[in-house]
Amino acid sequence: RKEVEQDPGPFNVPEGATVAFNCTYSNSASQSFFWYRQDCRKEPKLLMSVYSSGNEDGRFTAQLNRASQYISLLIRDSKLSDSATYLCVVRDDKIIFGKGTRLHILP
Amino acid sequence: NAGVTQTPKFQVLKTGQSMTLQCAQDMNHEYMSWYRQDPGMGLRLIHYSVGAGITDQGEVPNGYNVSRSTTEDFPLRLLSAAPSQTSVYFCASSYSGPKSGRAFGADTQYFGPGTRLTVL
Repeated sequence: RKEVEQDPGPFNVPEGATVAFNCTYSNSASQSFFWYRQDCRKEPKLLMSVYSSGNEDGRFTAQLNRASQYISLLIRDSKLSDSATYLCVVRDDKIIFGKGTRLHILP
Repeated sequence: NAGVTQTPKFQVLKTGQSMTLQCAQDMNHEYMSWYRQDPGMGLRLIHYSVGAGITDQGEVPNGYNVSRSTTEDFPLRLLSAAPSQTSVYFCASSYSGPKSGRAFGADTQYFGPGTRLTVL
């Protein structure tokens, strides 16, 4: 099993819809979890950290399921500007980036 | 704060040439790292540093050298460029590294804008 796995997509979603994607990780000792956003030809930027109890930031909700070893990102009322690649990041004794999930919001 | 800066933004090299990619941060971060990003491969760690004077190898270190003489700067040197090193290079920094045991969030990575390198 790869250390961090994401569905590469692309997810093509109409504007206003809700979209969710998951990321699985292999090391049960992983301690920190993050979602990063990367726009085309730009650097990755932190979208949100993922807390054990789950957390919400506006239209974005992140959740952690330690038992099944995955984290999820839910985007509600999607906007055209949400089109990007979303990278899952997991930390144990090193920082591991997933390969990303591409999201296209369609007008 | 300028955050993490990288120069140059673009570079074209011929096979066998050497060059240095510059990275600097003004956030007094302990931890700095270099990644390369290739299509379908995601971000791969080249080298990292947990503080001035300390560097270590990441996942794909061959063909690259680094040094960390100051907290602020972490240059990446390509010793003899090869076409396989054509990639986008990102420098990143964080308050502390993944093994530091510091509080949650201290290892949030901040990235520079990247250097697009082509080796002919």
